[in-house]
Amino acid sequence: EDQVTQSPEALRLQEGESSSLNCSYTVSGLRGLFWYRQDPGKGPEFLFTLYSAGEEKEKERLKATLTKKESFLHITAPKPEDSATYLCAVQGTDSWGKFQFGAGTQVVVTP
Amino acid sequence: NAGVTQTPKFQVLKTGQSMTLQCAQDMNHNSMYWYRQDPGMGLRLIYYSASEGTTDKGEVPNGYNVSRLNKREFSLRLESAAPSQTSVYFCAGGLAAYEQYFGPGTRLTVT
Repeated sequence: EDQVTQSPEALRLQEGESSSLNCSYTVSGLRGLFWYRQDPGKGPEFLFTLYSAGEEKEKERLKATLTKKESFLHITAPKPEDSATYLCAVQGTDSWGKFQFGAGTQVVVTP
Repeated sequence: NAGVTQTPKFQVLKTGQSMTLQCAQDMNHNSMYWYRQDPGMGLRLIYYSASEGTTDKGEVPNGYNVSRLNKREFSLRLESAAPSQTSVYFCAGGLAAYEQYFGPGTRLTVT
């Protein structure tokens, strides 16, 4: 069974204070790992897909990396508008069409 | 393009009542999904449809039924609502092995 664990559960940052979120996963074989951003009261919004260990993707202040057991979402010099819950999901090769989500990391960036 | 739309946005039901949550997508995606999101538990898959005419159970299908009416529409039915079904429900569309695009959610309370 595919499993995803995200840490920490919550993160409070000062504006400009860089940090990283962790997503540990267990799958029989990884088809893809996905990062989403969710604002309060809204649906998740797609950020990145990573397919193989060593792959990296960047978007503005966010950078996602992938190893064989975990993924990190690095937030560089965050701004208050980066405040959101960040969700990680995986799809295993034995779970075609199904995605297993983690519980998310709630990030608050204060001015 | 509206992306993924869901109706209603809010609903209050009494125990034992039935209702159907509607979802439509205009992105021409083959796959559609229904999730529920509860505090601290992340998104859990209820049912998904890999293509028009097919549906499969996810992690938490008990108490729900689905209909893939056509390529655009995927509905979720609660035949006899229970307080344990109080949750936020999200519909998503996508290509099976790739990212998903979520609707705005339906907030359901069962009293």
